[in-house]
Amino acid sequence: AQSVTQPDIHITVSEGASLELRCNYSYGATPYLFWYVQSPGQGLQLLLKYFSGDTLVQGIKGFEAEFKRSQSSFNLRKPSVHWSDAAEYFCAVGGMFSGGYNKLIFGAGTRLAVHP
Amino acid sequence: DVKVTQSSRYLVKRTGEKVFLECVQDMDHENMFWYRQDPGLGLRLIYFSYDVKMKEKGDIPEGYSVSREKKERFSLILESASTNQTSMYLCASRRTGTVSQETQYFGPGTRLLVL
Repeated sequence: AQSVTQPDIHITVSEGASLELRCNYSYGATPYLFWYVQSPGQGLQLLLKYFSGDTLVQGIKGFEAEFKRSQSSFNLRKPSVHWSDAAEYFCAVGGMFSGGYNKLIFGAGTRLAVHP
Repeated sequence: DVKVTQSSRYLVKRTGEKVFLECVQDMDHENMFWYRQDPGLGLRLIYFSYDVKMKEKGDIPEGYSVSREKKERFSLILESASTNQTSMYLCASRRTGTVSQETQYFGPGTRLLVL
């Protein structure tokens, strides 16, 4: 069955430190992969997406993610975290699922805390 | 900018009440979605609609129904609210096309507490 796993429920980093959030997916065909961010009290905002081409994808707010087919992973990275990056991050896989509809399947999320 | 708005940010209801959650989008999107978000479970799709008066069950439709009478508005209905429906509800919309082509936009969410 299609699924998305985010192994880390909570991560705490110091401001200025580098960040990597892990995401593994299970999907039979070529996956379309997404990272969304949810700031406190807000809806989800798209950070970046991958569907073909270069496996290193650049997004907004200085984030990037790398698609590794051999590892079924799509990890999110940022070289230097800012306090405003504290939020919950969701990885998602999109595609044609049962019933013939395009939809997204989300992981459980990783909550990021940033220490000053 | 695409805007998806939800009628309430916070809602408190009693068990057995009929609850309506409203969602409006202003970008003429064909597809609209209702998700619930629970800690440790991420977002799970309840229902979606790909056109006016059309609806499809998502992954967890039990206990919910939906209505889409106008293109811009998608309502989620809890016919008889129960405590296990206490959750954050997120609405989203997207233009017709594949998920790779079209970005899905989310509303700010409605946090529902059922007592």
